[in-house]
Amino acid sequence: DAGITQSPRHKVTETGTPVTLRCHQTENHRYMYWYRQDPGHGLRLIHYSYGVKDTDKGEVSDGYSVSRSKTEDFLLTLESATSSQTSVYFCATTGDTGELFFGEGSRLTVL
Amino acid sequence: GNSVTQMEGPVTLSEEAFLTINCTYTATGYPSLFWYVQYPGEGLQLLLKATKADDKGSNKGFEATYRKETTSFHLEKGSVQVSDSAVYFCALRDYGGSQGNLIFGKGTKLSVKP
Repeated sequence: DAGITQSPRHKVTETGTPVTLRCHQTENHRYMYWYRQDPGHGLRLIHYSYGVKDTDKGEVSDGYSVSRSKTEDFLLTLESATSSQTSVYFCATTGDTGELFFGEGSRLTVL
Repeated sequence: GNSVTQMEGPVTLSEEAFLTINCTYTATGYPSLFWYVQYPGEGLQLLLKATKADDKGSNKGFEATYRKETTSFHLEKGSVQVSDSAVYFCALRDYGGSQGNLIFGKGTKLSVKP
């Protein structure tokens, strides 16, 4: 258990509203990731961070931004949510072994 | 580019049946290979891994052997239980890549009936 907490765990919002998902870790891991999980697509990387204020895009970054002001927190923001962003979002971190540790997920529904 | 292809599900088995979930990969470097499992309502957790050719990863009765010649990492278990019902993801990390993140297959849902 890498001590990863995601919030909120469930959210329903309307198209066009901003949404921020938070990931908090207690393991002091350098790397943090945001994935989305959709049926038929598996997990796809949205953004990742390799240190405080160091972030980069993943495979499906359009419509998302991230920030990491502290080692333990990695925020994912949808500036203007769309129905195509309805998904389950997972935060993950990487330890020294290269293993990914996942949070329990945040289910977002955009109406 | 790097990719992972795993057999489509869902897979439905009776308890004590033999399980195989096929996984093949494409990679430019020398990847490490992983199997993750996701139980209902939870995040993914590492099931097993192998870091070089011919390595065998094993855990909880599951096994997978890293076959470089066939670019495969098939997951097997000799006798499945109802509690093994979950979604299984094959993944690779290519350390020659820019950030070394994991690339996942689409997942295979396993249902085990009593």
